[in-house]
Amino acid sequence: AQSVAQPEDQVNVAEGNPLTVKCTYSVSGNPYLFWYVQYPNRGLQFLLKYITGDNLVKGSYGFEAEFNKSQTSFHLKKPSALVSDSALYFCAVSINTGGFKTIFGAGTRLFVKA
Amino acid sequence: GAGVSQSPSNKVTEKGKDVELRCDPISGHTALYWYRQRLGQGLEFLIYFQGNSAPDKSGLPSDRFSAERTGESVSTLTIQRTQQEDSAVYLCASSLGRDGYEQYFGPGTRLTVT
Repeated sequence: AQSVAQPEDQVNVAEGNPLTVKCTYSVSGNPYLFWYVQYPNRGLQFLLKYITGDNLVKGSYGFEAEFNKSQTSFHLKKPSALVSDSALYFCAVSINTGGFKTIFGAGTRLFVKA
Repeated sequence: GAGVSQSPSNKVTEKGKDVELRCDPISGHTALYWYRQRLGQGLEFLIYFQGNSAPDKSGLPSDRFSAERTGESVSTLTIQRTQQEDSAVYLCASSLGRDGYEQYFGPGTRLTVT
């Protein structure tokens, strides 16, 4: 079965420290990979995506993610966390086969402490 | 420019009633998606429209759920004979195309079935 896993329900990090939010996937074919963020009382927003090319992609708000095909992972990273980064983060996979479905992970809540 | 809009923002209904949720996608976006997000959980894919192609209805949880889209514009999600387990936030998203394009989300409709 095709799936996306975000193994951590919650990640806690101190402001100024680097952060990592993990995502692994299990799909057939070549996936397109996305990260979305949901701030409190705001809608889901696109952060970044990997389609092809350079395995390290950069996105909004200083976030970046690294595609690792051998480990089927797409971890989200930021060198220096801000309190304002506290939000719910979703990893998503879009599969380029005859049919379509975007599969979202369950989400990881990030808490950044001042 | 205008984003994805959804109406109503909140809907409280009695068990057994029908409800209709509306989504206005971003102009020019050919793809439109509906998701359900239960409290504290991830996004559950419901249905996907792409241009004039037949919609992908594989995520609809039961035959009480249906959705329509007129061309590349407004979509309505209808839930008949609502049940308490239908209580959730229903999110609509649109994108420029299919695989590889990021989705832009509306603010959601919070449905409460009493």
